Parts: sequence; structure tokens; C-alpha cells
Amino acid sequence: EAGVTQSPTHLIKTRGQQATLRCSPISGHTSVYWYQQALGLGLQFLLWYDEGEERNRGNFPPRFSGRQFPNYSSELNVNALELEDSALYLCASSFGGSRTDTQYFGPGTRLTVL
Amino acid sequence: SQQGEEDPQALSIQEGENATMNCSYKTSINNLQWYRQNSGRGLVHLILIRSNEREKHSGRLRVTLDTSKKSSSLLITASRAADTASYFCATGGLYNQGGKLIFGQGTELSVKP
Repeated sequence: EAGVTQSPTHLIKTRGQQATLRCSPISGHTSVYWYQQALGLGLQFLLWYDEGEERNRGNFPPRFSGRQFPNYSSELNVNALELEDSALYLCASSFGGSRTDTQYFGPGTRLTVL
Repeated sequence: SQQGEEDPQALSIQEGENATMNCSYKTSINNLQWYRQNSGRGLVHLILIRSNEREKHSGRLRVTLDTSKKSSSLLITASRAADTASYFCATGGLYNQGGKLIFGQGTELSVKP
């Protein structure tokens, strides 16, 4: 069974640009989560999507947004990139509803903002 | 903010030795999970222990949970060079609690051959 996949592996942008990161969950999982792992800041929760809707949002500015498609894949958009957005962005998936316990992570997208 | 802290922040041992990492958390929990991260890549789920469990085993891994002290420990027995990674504990993740996992700062384990 395929795991969580993310694309691209690496992304280099300049300040002010927009970045789009993609995630495909494990088959059968309806929840997708996004986390940011920036140097020195640890793993921070960004967004949670379930059944196509945003269910929860971490303490990040509105320029971090995303969506979940009917096939449960997800996209994270970061607008007006700033240098401090440079980080590893991790996507995770899980079953939805009360079965949610373990989240399974993808390999991540390394975003570098120059 | 992070839920808790891991201790130690870094640990260096020889192959064959045991490695013990500790995690403390702040709020009441339904379960606690341990993850491994190799070289800044994705997280691999290792084990989940529920709040009504005190100890759980999976292969060379042994996890304990003390809810009265709000702490957990991960023991890796007979460590191998391939165990070199960062280890994180995480709490939360439940659907009715906002879904998010809250991670500790992690323990960086180095196993020398």
C-alpha cells in the first residue's frame, strides 16, 4: 500500500512569490494535516482538512492557506513568501471521524525562500 | 507552543547499547505517540500508547506512560547504527480535539558502530 506522497521534494522561491505544495494521502484516509518544521521552532501544526473542509488551523497568518480536493488530496499555498517561511513542510493523513489516532507522514517538501 | 519536552536533547551511544528517551507533557491526554525522523525527512510512526496503558512493546521498542507524572519514556534495546535519528513524542490528534498533534522538541540519537 502506498504511503503519503508529497511534491515537489524541493522548492526554491524568492521573497514575495507564491508556493504551492501538494499531498496525496494514503488510500482510505479522508483527513489531511499540514505541519511546518522550521529550524529552531520544532514541528508546528498548520492546517487540518477532513472531507473537503478546513477543520482546524494553527497559529499562522492568512497567507498560509490550502484546500482538499474530492479525491482527498490536498494543496498548501503560501502567498507573499517571507524568508522565515523556509522550512520543511510535512503532510500527514489519517482516517477521519472518531477513528482518528495515528497520523502517517509523507517525506516532506523542503521550501527555501531566497 | 510545544506540549512538552524531551530529555535528553541529544544522546550518543555505541551499537548494542540501550537508548532511553523521556518525554513530558502538560495537559491530560487520551494517547501518546512516538515518531522517528531521519535526516530532516518525513516522520515514521513507531508506537502509540493509550492513557489507560502503562507499558507497550513493539520489537526492540518499549514505551512506558505515567499519567500521574505526565511523562513517557521510549527505550530502544540493542541499538543499531540505523537507529540514528531524531525521536519525537506527540500528543493530541483526536478528531474532537482539533486533530492536531503537538510535538515535543525531540531527542537526537546517534548510534556509533
